[in-house]
Amino acid sequence: LAKTTQPISMDSYEGQEVNITCSHNNIATNDYITWYQQFPSQGPRFIIQGYKTKVTNEVASLFIPADRKSSTLSLPRVSLSDTAVYYCLVDGPNTGGFKTIFGAGTRLFVKA
Amino acid sequence: SAVISQKPSRDICQRGTSLTIQCQVDSQVTMMFWYRQQPGQSLTLIATANQGSEATYESGFVIDKFPISRPNLTFSTLTVSNMSPEDSSIYLCSVEGGAIGTDTQYFGPGTRLTVL
Repeated sequence: LAKTTQPISMDSYEGQEVNITCSHNNIATNDYITWYQQFPSQGPRFIIQGYKTKVTNEVASLFIPADRKSSTLSLPRVSLSDTAVYYCLVDGPNTGGFKTIFGAGTRLFVKA
Repeated sequence: SAVISQKPSRDICQRGTSLTIQCQVDSQVTMMFWYRQQPGQSLTLIATANQGSEATYESGFVIDKFPISRPNLTFSTLTVSNMSPEDSSIYLCSVEGGAIGTDTQYFGPGTRLTVL
């Protein structure tokens, strides 16, 4: 399973755009890039997933360059309620079936 | 997406006792996963549970300590046996979802366990 590296924490202010970059240098051909959000006392929640180029949904955008060795989660106009831990994961099929291994995540603090 | 519930949501237990955590899914799923999340830490995969077969445990976790049942395609239990304060943690179950091959997971709300 590909290892991911992302900043431990980030600070932002309400209304700003936040970009969290994740490095995954040894991503495999079959791997997808998935981001999860976790609020205190809750389980992680799926935000967005992509394989290459750009993916956008109602919550965020995910930018993936051609070499796929990194990805950037973009949160437009954050609010206080976006304060959470954001996990970048790289996963795909393996001999043991699907396993999702979480890295340390990025703690985002949104200030008023 | 799947809707997952866990029972209990939290518990306080005495050292040496055991607690069984239940995970219920609103749809049939092949694979269910159990994670542990210690305070301020990321999630650590304990085991993968397939219906009709023995659970597969990750390094550092053993069946005697964390027995798992998977009696059908919508339900699983994780037991934390002979508990010690080091077992104080949040325990989460999850299931696969999303398109085939994308390995998207959906998580339950977690069970917060405190061992005294």
